[in-house]
Amino acid sequence: QKEVEQNSGPLSVPEGAIASLNCTYSDRGSQSFFWYRQYSGKSPELIMSIYSNGDKEDGRFTAQLNKASQYVSLLIRDSQPSDSATYLCAVNKHGNTGKLIFGQGTTLQVKP
Amino acid sequence: KAGVTQTPRYLIKTRGQQVTLSCSPISGHRSVSWYQQTPGQGLQFLFEYFSETQRNKGNFPGRFSGRQFSNSRSEMNVSTLELGDSALYLCASSLASASGGDTQYFGPGTRLTVL
Repeated sequence: QKEVEQNSGPLSVPEGAIASLNCTYSDRGSQSFFWYRQYSGKSPELIMSIYSNGDKEDGRFTAQLNKASQYVSLLIRDSQPSDSATYLCAVNKHGNTGKLIFGQGTTLQVKP
Repeated sequence: KAGVTQTPRYLIKTRGQQVTLSCSPISGHRSVSWYQQTPGQGLQFLFEYFSETQRNKGNFPGRFSGRQFSNSRSEMNVSTLELGDSALYLCASSLASASGGDTQYFGPGTRLTVL
């Protein structure tokens, strides 16, 4: 079992729709959770971090964390073609300094 | 505030050579982590440096090494290059905390091709 799992996709949504990206993790000691966006040929760019159970909203993005289910998700409202990218879920375990464990990423395609 | 910078951006080497990559963190960030990204394995953690000391290490062979300077700039070195070392090498910086859950910001990466 991989430590962090994501559906590789591609996830295809029409412009203006809500895109829902999911991630599960195996280590219950995980304390910090991050979503990064990576365009082809570029480096990962931070979208959001979340540390506590519940929802965290930032503009069109909402991260959701459920530690009991070991599940973290990212919702993108009003999806735009410019949101088309690979979304990486990353997890850090308490005390495991500087080490993010990444999922394989979900490719999102937003069609005009 | 300037972001994380990495040099060089592209490198072509041949098997058996060695290579040194450089990373300058965001001003005020004291932790630097290095990652290797390949299509098959995704993003994998190499090591983390804080206060000129390696604080954490991933599962890579000893050919991969690094160091950090007093100004928090970091370098990583790969010796005796293999074809499989071809990858995007990413550096990320963060404010340092003892628990390690700080947000990391990535540089543009160094694309290494080994022929």
